[in-house]
Amino acid sequence: GESVGLHLPTLSVQEGDNSIINCAYSNSASDYFIWYKQESGKGPQFIIDIRSNMDKRQGQRVTVLLNKTVKHLSLQIAATQPGDSAVYFCADYNYGQNFVFGPGTRLSVLP
Amino acid sequence: GAGVSQSPSNKVTEKGKDVELRCDPISGHTALYWYRQSLGQGLEFLIYFQGNSAPDKSGLPSDRFSAERTGGSVSTLTIQRTQQEDSAVYLCASSLDSGNQPQHFGDGTRLSIL
Repeated sequence: GESVGLHLPTLSVQEGDNSIINCAYSNSASDYFIWYKQESGKGPQFIIDIRSNMDKRQGQRVTVLLNKTVKHLSLQIAATQPGDSAVYFCADYNYGQNFVFGPGTRLSVLP
Repeated sequence: GAGVSQSPSNKVTEKGKDVELRCDPISGHTALYWYRQSLGQGLEFLIYFQGNSAPDKSGLPSDRFSAERTGGSVSTLTIQRTQQEDSAVYLCASSLDSGNQPQHFGDGTRLSIL
């Protein structure tokens, strides 16, 4: 993930709408990617992962899209609920180095 | 429990004191990681263990920081002569093996240095 400084970008969505959270990574050799959700006072929670031999992977209400050409990852959350409010961040990995974590995006679900 | 357990959950101490943070990984996970998270920042890698060995200590900020893991299970992160800039949330994660495996995190220890 890339560092974007001290201020977390925030995404506000209406309850029931779909959310799209984006992440850029810098290492073109990265071959494994994870999305995490972190609620206040809690540790990061694994949501979904994807390997570089795939472009898309779906879970329950979540979809991850990987565009290796532009080194971009996105997380789509369908029918966003109040419980989805949290900070979401991506992590990328390539063999021989540790995971690199982005600073995250704060998702705020409006009633 | 089935998850990664960290203790204490909160620690407040005076500048100059030593602190010890504990991590109990998921049973059977051979890889264990320590990270530091400051307000609004991404996770800062500190050190990881494969079994009891620490192949990568490159993230430790200074020689005041050390970590050990015994029996391939519990790990402790020790910070000596704490400074105010050490205040952060210290997170531990474990995975089945090192490399391209999902890391599962504990809820962290929130460390405050007065």
